[in-house]
Amino acid sequence: GDSVTQMEGPVTLSEEAFLTINCTYTATGYPSLFWYVQYPGEGLQLLLKATKADDKGSNKGFEATYRKETTSFHLEKGSVQVSDSAVYFCAPRGAGGTSYGKLTFGQGTILTVHP
Amino acid sequence: EAGVTQSPTHLIKTRGQQATLRCSPISGHTSVYWYQQALGLGLQFLLWYDEGEERNRGNFPPRFSGRQFPNYSSELNVNALELEDSALYLCASSLDGDSNQPQHFGDGTRLSIL
Repeated sequence: GDSVTQMEGPVTLSEEAFLTINCTYTATGYPSLFWYVQYPGEGLQLLLKATKADDKGSNKGFEATYRKETTSFHLEKGSVQVSDSAVYFCAPRGAGGTSYGKLTFGQGTILTVHP
Repeated sequence: EAGVTQSPTHLIKTRGQQATLRCSPISGHTSVYWYQQALGLGLQFLLWYDEGEERNRGNFPPRFSGRQFPNYSSELNVNALELEDSALYLCASSLDGDSNQPQHFGDGTRLSIL
């Protein structure tokens, strides 16, 4: 079945530092790719998406590029803020077979940003 | 615009009982998904309904079932509850079943089995 491997956390950074959270996946067919974020005390929110190879999703200063050849979808931000402290989940959406329609979540990466 | 709403927020049951969880999708959304987030296991896909039909099912026993109503709201039923069913159950909706459409999540129902 589909699977996701995310960079192990927790990740601790100082404000204005550069962030990379690595994500690689295995999936049936040609999945769409998503990053979700869960802020403290809140539910899962969509952060960004990319639906085909070489697409770049972006939102709130975060970016991720769909790399089909390396089956990766790494999340980056040039300058993090304290308010970015959250848990981040990479999730491909299955395109066929038993994975059809479902999001497969990684274990989540906890990010803490200090002032 | 109202988001995905789930009820109840918390549900306490004992082993062997039956539980019913409810979900209202974002207005205009026709697809509803159910996920289980058990401690230490991460988010696991349960069920997907679109236009009233079950489109896919995760690797869960048949005592997990559900349905989608004509207004696109959905119910998840869990029969013969077991201790390991204790988890946060998340519902999500998307505009339609297209793979490019993101899924938007509710805040969940926390089911506790005593």
